[in-house]
Amino acid sequence: DGGITQSPKYLFRKEGQNVTLSCEQNLNHDAMYWYRQDPGQGLRLIYYSQIVNDFQKGDIAEGYSVSREKKESFPLTVTSAQKNPTAFYLCASSTPPTGMNTEAFFGQGTRLTVV
Amino acid sequence: AQSVTQLGSHVSVSEGALVLLRCNYSSSVPPYLFWYVQYPNQGLQLLLKYTTGATLVKGINGFEAEFKKSETSFHLTKPSAHMSDAAEYFCAVTSSGGYQKVTFGIGTKLQVIP
Repeated sequence: DGGITQSPKYLFRKEGQNVTLSCEQNLNHDAMYWYRQDPGQGLRLIYYSQIVNDFQKGDIAEGYSVSREKKESFPLTVTSAQKNPTAFYLCASSTPPTGMNTEAFFGQGTRLTVV
Repeated sequence: AQSVTQLGSHVSVSEGALVLLRCNYSSSVPPYLFWYVQYPNQGLQLLLKYTTGATLVKGINGFEAEFKKSETSFHLTKPSAHMSDAAEYFCAVTSSGGYQKVTFGIGTKLQVIP
């Protein structure tokens, strides 16, 4: 079945460590997105990519990095520079953003906890 | 600039009762509007969306929403709540193409009381 796979589902990180969250899709979508979800704040965009080898900062990119070497994959690295990384991270993908008669498909999320 | 306001971070209804989740938006141009549902520790699933055309939009699981331009509202309703409807619901708005431009509300947690 087509979809988006995020791994791992739960992740624990020590302060000062970098950690990478995986996101893979087999929907043949060009655009991919990373959102951060905190209680009472909805979803906030971290990074997005509309095409391979290109990505753009979202609203809260500081302390995060991404790569888009393959159409199917859009990993997110949470660096030690991110001051408050504990959150629920959601990856999504969509067909080319030529209009909103499309929908984004979301992965199941990764819950990151800094210990 | 665009924004969305969800009134009520928590809503409780009895099983079988009407579900009404409120969403008001702000947009300088005609908006596209969405409702998503999220079950605990899961991703978001699209319930329904309004782009153009008919203002009453029907979605999955018996939900529907009506776009009211004069009231800048897009409230989500369901005639009869089911226990399985307990989840968090997000309203979202955009006025241009691409999900990088979507603004999400803070969410409303729906509790269904047996």
